[in-house]
Amino acid sequence: DAGVIQSPRHEVTEMGQEVTLRCKPISGHNSLFWYRQTMMRGLELLIYFNNNVPIDDSGMPEDRFSAKMPNASFSTLKIQPSEPRDSAVYFCASSIPGVVLTEQYFGPGTRLTVT
Amino acid sequence: QKEVEQNSGPLSVPEGAIASLNCTYSDRGSQSFFWYRQYSGKSPELIMFIYSNGDKEDGRFTAQLNKASQYVSLLIRDSQPSDSATYLCAAGSNKRGYQKVTFGTGTKLQVIP
Repeated sequence: DAGVIQSPRHEVTEMGQEVTLRCKPISGHNSLFWYRQTMMRGLELLIYFNNNVPIDDSGMPEDRFSAKMPNASFSTLKIQPSEPRDSAVYFCASSIPGVVLTEQYFGPGTRLTVT
Repeated sequence: QKEVEQNSGPLSVPEGAIASLNCTYSDRGSQSFFWYRQYSGKSPELIMFIYSNGDKEDGRFTAQLNKASQYVSLLIRDSQPSDSATYLCAAGSNKRGYQKVTFGTGTKLQVIP
């Protein structure tokens, strides 16, 4: 399997622009997670989908952030409008839900820079 | 209080020594505990997971869990320069299909040749 795929790998944009990050989870993984990582705050969970349904979006910072999962093989994280404080590495991860929590497999991440 | 706490380091150990990484968690409902390794500029990758009290060994790595003390540790024996990375501790629970995983901010390990 190719693993979790994210695109783009790097994104540089100006403040106020819309940014869309994309993720393809590992085939057969029913849970998908979006994380944001910064030096100051570490790895923060933004939103979590199970079977394409958002289960917990309490980590989404504000209304400028939105996420969708239209099918089992694709998810997007959108920031509109973007701000310099959104600069971070955004990771997508997927896992197989089970009785016992299992490993999350992380994608390579998207490094976002908002100027 | 952070849900999962780790010393940010850096923790420096000489090559061949034992590196000891520690983590505490606040949610007593946590059932699963993970150690991820993250090289600079890369994504986290799983090193060990542990569910039961006690020790779990895998090669040079030993994870230790003490639920009464809400304490998790990772020991790396015969540390190598290639072990230099940031180690993330995570605590997770799976309640009625709702998965919750909380990561610590990580401990940076430096293995000195």
